[in-house]
Amino acid sequence: GENVEQHPSTLSVQEGDSAVIKCTYSDSASNYFPWYKQELGKRPQLIIDIRSNVGEKKDQRIAVTLNKTAKHFSLHITETQPEDSAVYFCAASIMNYGGSQGNLIFGKGTKLSVKP
Amino acid sequence: DVKVTQSSRYLVKRTGEKVFLECVQDMDHENMFWYRQDPGLGLRLIYFSYDVKMKEKGDIPEGYSVSREKKERFSLILESASTNQTSMYLCASSLGRFSGNTIYFGEGSWLTVV
Repeated sequence: GENVEQHPSTLSVQEGDSAVIKCTYSDSASNYFPWYKQELGKRPQLIIDIRSNVGEKKDQRIAVTLNKTAKHFSLHITETQPEDSAVYFCAASIMNYGGSQGNLIFGKGTKLSVKP
Repeated sequence: DVKVTQSSRYLVKRTGEKVFLECVQDMDHENMFWYRQDPGLGLRLIYFSYDVKMKEKGDIPEGYSVSREKKERFSLILESASTNQTSMYLCASSLGRFSGNTIYFGEGSWLTVV
């Protein structure tokens, strides 16, 4: 089955710097890659996702890149702010139309701390 | 706004007790999930359901069972709670059978087994 590895487990940056979190996946059939943000004491929430037919997607200060050949995808946060401090989870799944759904397999999470 | 509500935020139970964690979603979603979250281990899938009265095992089903009698409600049951089941439990739902739909999480239930 699918296995998702996420690095680093903790990341500390200065406010205004960029942060990059990387994930690798094992199943080449995976084609959907969401990222979730979980603030302290709160529920995980989707912040951005990418499908395998695109290589990059941006939404304001966050972007995700996907390298299908190498089977890795990354989250990039630019101009970090203290409110970006949270645990970030990557995930992968197989999107099948008409077949059984591939469940999301999550990475172990990255705790990002943004120092003011 | 999608709402996934878990009935209990914090529970303390004794070893051997039967524990029910309840989850309700208000968006007519077909899919519902129970995850367990532990530090350093991320989010691990316990059970999921694509339809009423339907259930399938996830990655760590041992020691758990589930019930889905109504579309909006998905219950996680610990038949005989043990200390290694102390954890945060997250319920989630998504729209339909096709993956790629956003998963919406509840606020979580913190369970301590003593």
